[in-house]
Amino acid sequence: DAGVTQSPTHLIKTRGQQVTLRCSPKSGHDTVSWYQQALGQGPQFIFQYYEEEERQRGNFPDRFSGHQFPNYSSELNVNALLLGDSALYLCASSLENRRHSPLHFGNGTRLTVT
Amino acid sequence: GQQLNQSPQSMFIQEGEDVSMNCTSSSIFNTWLWYKQDPGEGPVLLIALYKAGELTSNGRLTAQFGITRKDSFLNISASIPSDVGIYFCAGRSGAGSYQLTFGKGTKLSVIP
Repeated sequence: DAGVTQSPTHLIKTRGQQVTLRCSPKSGHDTVSWYQQALGQGPQFIFQYYEEEERQRGNFPDRFSGHQFPNYSSELNVNALLLGDSALYLCASSLENRRHSPLHFGNGTRLTVT
Repeated sequence: GQQLNQSPQSMFIQEGEDVSMNCTSSSIFNTWLWYKQDPGEGPVLLIALYKAGELTSNGRLTAQFGITRKDSFLNISASIPSDVGIYFCAGRSGAGSYQLTFGKGTKLSVIP
């Protein structure tokens, strides 16, 4: 039973560039959430995707966008990268129609912006 | 963004000792979750709580959903070296909200 998988594991980008991060949810899950975790902090909610649509968004600018595909996998895109975007980006999945389906997290993508 | 108040920030304990950490919020939550994160990995779910007053155990771990719905605690009994890591509490405010709000974490170190 495959868990949540994310790629790449590490990424180094330059300020102003754009980046795409990828996530495959746990087998059987249909909902994907993205979180940003700065060093020494707890994860912060970016947005959640269900049925290929963004249904809730946290306090992040429009530079952060996403997509969910018919196979439930998801991408996180960040444009015009800033130094402050350096963080661990976590993808989490759950099952919409199961009561009390907690989030299962992947191991994240470590993004460094120089 | 909003975060829960989690304490203590860090703790050093002897192997075999019991551990207690807690989380408080100014807002009501309908779900409380406790996660553990090891270096280089994502958070792993330890215990999920869905009802005020609920007390749930998972092996040596016990967590409670506060009766006011504004707090939760996690206890670890008879700590072992592999308990080392960062423990996060997380809450969900209720129907229509899909986001988890996390605390800043409690870093646990176990001295053999």
